Amino acid sequence: NAGVTQTPKFRILKIGQSMTLQCTQDMNHNYMYWYRQDPGMGLKLIYYSVGAGITDKGEVPNGYNVSRSTTEDFPLRLELAAPSQTSVYFCATTRRNPNYGYTFGSGTRLTVV
Amino acid sequence: EDQVTQSPEALRLQEGESSSLNCSYTVSGLRGLFWYRQDPGKGPEFLFTLYSAGEEKEKERLKATLTKKESFLHITAPKPEDSATYLCAVQAGGTNAGKSTFGDGTTLTVKP
Repeated sequence: NAGVTQTPKFRILKIGQSMTLQCTQDMNHNYMYWYRQDPGMGLKLIYYSVGAGITDKGEVPNGYNVSRSTTEDFPLRLELAAPSQTSVYFCATTRRNPNYGYTFGSGTRLTVV
Repeated sequence: EDQVTQSPEALRLQEGESSSLNCSYTVSGLRGLFWYRQDPGKGPEFLFTLYSAGEEKEKERLKATLTKKESFLHITAPKPEDSATYLCAVQAGGTNAGKSTFGDGTTLTVKP
């Protein structure tokens, strides 16, 4: 039972390049989220999904895009990377019942140079 | 707009020295207040959910309490392995799709 798996763990991008951060969960949860965490800061919501085929913007969506074709997968796409997107990205999932909180992946550390 | 403020930013304790972390919040209809623990280089790990003022939850040396404006995470006789960043988050009621607003965290260091 892996929970939430994120790949890659580390990545260095050049300005203007694009990439996809992968997130897969085996918990059969409908709710999934992408957060970014800058040094010494809390987590900011980028995008979220309440089920396959349904996505919506969070607090800081500019420069990102998502898709949700299956319950398990929720990839985050960065187009035209900028230095401001240097951050640690976390994918999370939860049940509808808040008793259980979020289960997070181990994160992707992205540096844009 | 939901807001979460945590204090202090950093806390250094000697092993066995009890203390508390604070989380002040404003939210339109609290659905739940969450505490997470985050170790360096890892994703946050869920600790507690609190729902209403007066509620308390405990786990080993940690006890979380909730009022209408604040939550406290009390750490009793901490050990070095309790060193981590502790994050507080809130969810608003209604159809918010389980979205959480996080504070910036308190980094706890426990010296032996």
